[in-house]
Amino acid sequence: EDQVTQSPEALRLQEGESSSLNCSYTVSGLRGLFWYRQDPGKGPEFLFTLYSAGEEKEKERLKATLTKKESFLHITAPKPEDSATYLCAVYGGADGLTFGKGTHLIIQP
Amino acid sequence: ETGVTQTPRHLVMGMTNKKSLKCEQHLGHNAMYWYKQSAKKPLELMFVYSLEERVENNSVPSRFSPECPNSSHLFLHLHTLQPEDSALYLCASSQDTERDIQYFGAGTRLSVL
Repeated sequence: EDQVTQSPEALRLQEGESSSLNCSYTVSGLRGLFWYRQDPGKGPEFLFTLYSAGEEKEKERLKATLTKKESFLHITAPKPEDSATYLCAVYGGADGLTFGKGTHLIIQP
Repeated sequence: ETGVTQTPRHLVMGMTNKKSLKCEQHLGHNAMYWYKQSAKKPLELMFVYSLEERVENNSVPSRFSPECPNSSHLFLHLHTLQPEDSALYLCASSQDTERDIQYFGAGTRLSVL
């Protein structure tokens, strides 16, 4: 059974204070790792997909990296509009897409 | 209209009511999904349809009944629900059921009284 653990559960940062969110996973044969952003009252919004260890992707202040056991979402000099819940999910094939519980990120002005 | 659209956005129903949730995707995708999102829990996959055929049913109680009349529309029929079924129900679509990106609707917030 595929498993995804995200940490921390919640993170409060000052505007401009860089940090990283962690996604640890157990899957028999990773076929893709996905990061989503979810704002209150909305559905998850796709950010990145990573397929193999060593792969990195960037979008504005966000950078996602992948190893064989975990993925990090690095946020550089965040702004209040980056406040959201960030979800990590893995696709192993047999179980479909398995999500973690998410990290609730708050960026204070 | 683009993306994945869900209606209604909010629904309150009694335990003896029958209601339906609707999802429509305008992305030309072949696969559609229903997920349940409860507080403090990960998204739970409920049903998967590929080319209008159900390919997965994750041990969901029979009080939830999906219907996919075509590749653009997905319904979730609800009857005799329990208070613990109160949650955000999300619809998603992807090009196919393999490792493609899933695009989500805004969800229906369901409250069962």
